[in-house]
Amino acid sequence: KNEVEQSPQNLTAQEGEFITINCSYSVGISALHWLQQHPGGGIVSLFMLSSGKKKHGRLIATINIQEKHSSLHITASHPRDSAVYICAVYGAGSYQLTFGKGTKLSVIP
Amino acid sequence: GAGVSQSPRYKVAKRGQDVALRCDPISGHVSLFWYQQALGQGPEFLTYFQNEAQLDKSGLPSDRFFAERPEGSVSTLKIQRTQQEDSAVYLCASSLVPGGSYNSPLHFGNGTRLTVT
Repeated sequence: KNEVEQSPQNLTAQEGEFITINCSYSVGISALHWLQQHPGGGIVSLFMLSSGKKKHGRLIATINIQEKHSSLHITASHPRDSAVYICAVYGAGSYQLTFGKGTKLSVIP
Repeated sequence: GAGVSQSPRYKVAKRGQDVALRCDPISGHVSLFWYQQALGQGPEFLTYFQNEAQLDKSGLPSDRFFAERPEGSVSTLKIQRTQQEDSAVYLCASSLVPGGSYNSPLHFGNGTRLTVT
């Protein structure tokens, strides 16, 4: 049983489209990470948030603690955004991250 | 260094062989984590070091897996008598503060892709 569920698992979009990736979790958390993983394997942290909304360039992350749900939005998507996007949560009082399985995004020119 | 460095990037081992995977964290980072990522899955926790102390090894899948960080910087993950199910990407991450937290993000290496044949 995975405590962190992401949807969709796979997503193909045309360049320029607005993209939303969803993450739901079942446990109390202290913070949530959105991570980007390129085919080479390396993982980059995009956002870490515990409430509200954060924006960086074309990326926006929101979280609703009461509903145990977070979304990652990409505006004006570009082929270089193609990657796996992973949601991960810190359990309350825990240093361990629990990861979702990831959403594979492909943006077609 | 500028980031977390892992070596080798790729390792092919024959079943039964021992392997050693290396992680160089960001200088001065107290926390170091090892994760295992099977194909198509999210990473899963293996073990956690705070400086040289291994505070949590609850995620190590069997006693064939062993990790150390003797001087509180470089860490090595060793897998003895490798099995096909050990094939995965092994990721290392470090953080400035003990335990890692909201105030101190994790920095990941590029991983070592282990293939056991």
